[in-house]
Amino acid sequence: ETGVTQTPRHLVMGMTNKKSLKCEQHLGHNAMYWYKQSAKKPLELMFVYSLEERVENNSVPSRFSPECPNSSHLFLHLHTLQPEDSALYLCASSQAARDRGHNEQFFGPGTRLTVL
Amino acid sequence: AQSVTQLGSHVSVSEGALVLLRCNYSSSVPPYLFWYVQYPNQGLQLLLKYTTGATLVKGINGFEAEFKKSETSFHLTKPSAHMSDAAEYFCAVISFQKLVFGTGTRLLVSP
Repeated sequence: ETGVTQTPRHLVMGMTNKKSLKCEQHLGHNAMYWYKQSAKKPLELMFVYSLEERVENNSVPSRFSPECPNSSHLFLHLHTLQPEDSALYLCASSQAARDRGHNEQFFGPGTRLTVL
Repeated sequence: AQSVTQLGSHVSVSEGALVLLRCNYSSSVPPYLFWYVQYPNQGLQLLLKYTTGATLVKGINGFEAEFKKSETSFHLTKPSAHMSDAAEYFCAVISFQKLVFGTGTRLLVSP
């Protein structure tokens, strides 16, 4: 595997289900990100794990819970989602440096989530 | 905070015509600017980036962009469009160590 991989590619779930999205990067990067991409809206940064710190967008509901067990793996745990959470969820990674901030990000193919 | 504005949510060109996708930035510090492309059902792929140095940046697939400080612009161009260029294009800027994206421009290429 190369680059950034995401599984599953498609997911359909009910509002009472619990599921997890998985992301893995094979680039040796030290920062990973979750984005939400909805139709006709700008890409929304949800969470960042970088240099052993976690940064989150305060507008993200608590029904989304990230987990980053190491620098190569990132999860997004989902529970009691709403239909408006249906979107493409993109994972990305980059090499971050304290003095220069974040470099360009490399994206996975995304997970298309549908909440019924 | 730094931000980018993409003018035009859709741009239509004929195959072989010039492609011009517009991006203007707002930044109080020298910006790091990027163009990404997203093909259907795929993630974003980096086309090119500007950090420092030469203001004309060449990217993949024949695309290039010019950083113009006087116009606060970073427009993306390609001399001759191919059908395979049909996709959505995103301009982005680094702001407080985060990548901030524009709303995207969908490029349509007709035969």
